[in-house]
Amino acid sequence: AAGVIQSPRHLIKEKRETATLKCYPIPRHDTVYWYQQGPGQDPQFLISFYEKMQSDKGSIPDRFSAQQFSDYHSELNMSSLELGDSALYFCASSLGPGGAEGETQYFGPGTRLLVL
Amino acid sequence: AQTVTQSQPEMSVQEAETVTLSCTYDTSESDYYLFWYKQPPSRQMILVIRQEAYKQQNATENRFSVNFQKAAKSFSLKISDSQLGDAAMYFCAYRAKYGNKLVFGAGTILRVKS
Repeated sequence: AAGVIQSPRHLIKEKRETATLKCYPIPRHDTVYWYQQGPGQDPQFLISFYEKMQSDKGSIPDRFSAQQFSDYHSELNMSSLELGDSALYFCASSLGPGGAEGETQYFGPGTRLLVL
Repeated sequence: AQTVTQSQPEMSVQEAETVTLSCTYDTSESDYYLFWYKQPPSRQMILVIRQEAYKQQNATENRFSVNFQKAAKSFSLKISDSQLGDAAMYFCAYRAKYGNKLVFGAGTILRVKS
């Protein structure tokens, strides 16, 4: 079965540079979530989108922005990168709200970002 | 705010034996979902099992089952007939019924000995 696709899988940036992470949800999934997982930590929720509208916001820095496009793929834009932004960034997708299946988030393989 | 606690940073089990991972959570909601995710060394997050809070029956997926105690706010994962491939970090996660985000516990590292 098709899974969530994230690109790139690995990214190395210098401080103060910008980065764009892309996420392609499972076909038919219209909800996308972004999480950040630092070394040795649990994933922390950043932001989510349902039907191209932001549905929830977590601990996302103001330097980060995200959007969901008409084909439901999503991009996370990160500017003025800091050393502390080095982490694994997950995208997850689900069906829209309503029903047990819609509550289950399926994760992509993640993008490993290293900021030097 | 909801919180999830996994009190066992690390567990070990002999191959073919059974192990139980603990998870407790705190919420004022009456309806919600609970999950166990597995994160092997590849760091992929893999869904293991899901439980809807309104269901009394404990969820089961092959060798994986849960013991859901709603009053005690406890949600433990039992792995039967442990296999080497079960070695991973296991995260317990909570989601409110009308919420979006998953709230994770700190994780439990499971080691499987041959």
